Amino acid sequence: NAGVMQNPRHLVRRRGQEARLRCSPMKGHSHVYWYRQLPEEGLKFMVYLQKENIIDESGMPKERFSAEFPKEGPSILRIQQVVRGDSAAYFCASSRDREADTQYFGPGTRLTVL
Amino acid sequence: DQQVKQNSPSLSVQEGRISILNCDYTNSMFDYFLWYKKYPAEGPTFLISISSIKDKNEDGRFTVFLNKSAKHLSLHIVPSQPGDSAVYFCAANSGNTPLVFGKGTRLSVIA
Repeated sequence: NAGVMQNPRHLVRRRGQEARLRCSPMKGHSHVYWYRQLPEEGLKFMVYLQKENIIDESGMPKERFSAEFPKEGPSILRIQQVVRGDSAAYFCASSRDREADTQYFGPGTRLTVL
Repeated sequence: DQQVKQNSPSLSVQEGRISILNCDYTNSMFDYFLWYKKYPAEGPTFLISISSIKDKNEDGRFTVFLNKSAKHLSLHIVPSQPGDSAVYFCAANSGNTPLVFGKGTRLSVIA
């Protein structure tokens, strides 16, 4: 299976805990994007990364959210001190080239904050 | 301010007929447009795309039409099948800017 992998698929956290979402891009893809989808909404761009670099984080909340894409291993979206409003589906996508911009999505992580 | 708008939240079509999903955009800088299909509890699946140098792109049962002067694109599915029932998202970007998504249209194909 050469698709985009995300884990966990479901994550439950209590307010104040940390959430770590992982994304492994498709084979041969070095561009990773994170999106958030709230109920009845479209996907909202959060951050775009290449290996070891954050290229565009214009959609990331200024506090509590961070992302990385290390040289080895998956991309990580980290949410510190989660609040109920963070409950959403978080999707990762990858592409081969930024110019091509056909992004292929993973199955998503559904975060529920109690 | 929504740069990509899908004004119909839902659409019902008989099996075998044509489904037409519409999308409007406000940013005249957008030059690449995509349609994604999404089933419940799954990630969006890329369906078809079109660049602004074209006005039509066809792939099997799916055709996307782009009207740049009206800032409007549409996705035609013909013939529609029950398996096409899903939420369809329109997305757009320009150059190195992030993809901007519409809120989606839920298509129901009735057998």
